[in-house]
Amino acid sequence: RKEVEQDPGPFNVPEGATVAFNCTYSNSASQSFFWYRQDCRKEPKLLMSVYSSGNEDGRFTAQLNRASQYISLLIRDSKLSDSATYLCVVNKGTGGFKTIFGAGTRLFVKA
Amino acid sequence: ETGVTQSPTHLIKTRGQQVTLRCSSQSGHNTVSWYQQALGQGPQFIFQYYREEENGRGNFPPRFSGLQFPNYSSELNVNALELDDSALYLCASSLAGRGIGDTTNYGYTFGSGTRLTVV
Repeated sequence: RKEVEQDPGPFNVPEGATVAFNCTYSNSASQSFFWYRQDCRKEPKLLMSVYSSGNEDGRFTAQLNRASQYISLLIRDSKLSDSATYLCVVNKGTGGFKTIFGAGTRLFVKA
Repeated sequence: ETGVTQSPTHLIKTRGQQVTLRCSSQSGHNTVSWYQQALGQGPQFIFQYYREEENGRGNFPPRFSGLQFPNYSSELNVNALELDDSALYLCASSLAGRGIGDTTNYGYTFGSGTRLTVV
């Protein structure tokens, strides 16, 4: 089993749709969580951190469920510019920071 | 504030050769991590350097080695290149503490990567 698993995708949605990505992690000692966005042939960029209480940034909402070892990202009112790969990232924080990336979920937003 | 810069941007090597990739960390960051990203996969952690010492290593063979310099820039060296080493190599800098239990982490800033092709 992979340490961080994401929905395989791709997700194809029309503009204006709401889309949710899920991510599970296997190490219960994991300490910090992030969502990154990666455009085609570009580097990953931090989208948002994920806090236990849940957090929102404009159209994006991230949630963490430590008991179920589950992270989610919700995108409301999808834009064409949201088309990218979304990477779930878990930091185990043991013995030097070891950050584990999921394989990513590709999102295509269509006009 | 300068970002993370990597060089070269693209590189073609033949099997068996050695390669050195370079990374300048973002101003104020003291930790550098290296990742390998194969096509269609997420980045895989190679190793991390903090204050010139290796501070964690992923599942990569010893022919992958690195250095961090006093100015926090870093090099990734790969010996005896194999075809499967073809990938995007990403450097990420961060400001992080060190040691078990120190969970301070401000996220990572990535460079644009070096695309290595081994033929």
